[in-house]
Amino acid sequence: EAGVAQSPRYKIIEKRQSVAFWCNPISGHATLYWYQQILGQGPKLLIQFQNNGVVDDSQLPKDRFSAERLKGVDSTLKIQPAKLEDSAVYLCASSLMVGSGGNTIYFGEGSWLTVV
Amino acid sequence: AQTVTQSQPEMSVQEAETVTLSCTYDTSENNYYLFWYKQPPSRQMILVIRQEAYKQQNATENRFSVNFQKAAKSFSLKISDSQLGDTAMYFCAFYDTGRRALTFGSGTRLQVQP
Repeated sequence: EAGVAQSPRYKIIEKRQSVAFWCNPISGHATLYWYQQILGQGPKLLIQFQNNGVVDDSQLPKDRFSAERLKGVDSTLKIQPAKLEDSAVYLCASSLMVGSGGNTIYFGEGSWLTVV
Repeated sequence: AQTVTQSQPEMSVQEAETVTLSCTYDTSENNYYLFWYKQPPSRQMILVIRQEAYKQQNATENRFSVNFQKAAKSFSLKISDSQLGDTAMYFCAFYDTGRRALTFGSGTRLQVQP
């Protein structure tokens, strides 16, 4: 079974530029998450999708971050314009069922962003 | 809001010995799940072990086991017969069925010494 796929793995951009990250969850997984992990910290939830609807985006900085999950499969996270403090690893994760903690949440390898 | 606290930023253990990583959490929920994830330098989060709050029996996965104390809101991870490949960051995480997402602690960096 293929895991959660993310791209690009690494990205370096200048502040005020834009960047987009792509995620393909495990086939059949209804729930998709984007987490931000700043160096030395634990991951922080940015947004959670259930199929193609947003369940929770309370911690997403909406003035610069946007995310979508068209057709309930792939997802894209965009940052525009980027700030230095956005330097982090962006982790995509997915799980099988709606709202069930009994299901394992699987993570991708992450997309490393450096803003200079 | 739930909080997860890992009070040990770094730990070291000799190969083949046993080490325990601590985690405490705060919640008013009664139905939840607790996880330990391992994160090697590649940054991929790998599930180590899972505990359902309604189960009194502590979870065990090969060399990994937990000590779950629900009343004390404590969830420690014990690694037996430590191996060099266990060197990684370890994150404790809380899943509540209301919010339907994981809240992570700040992590413990474990170094296994040869």
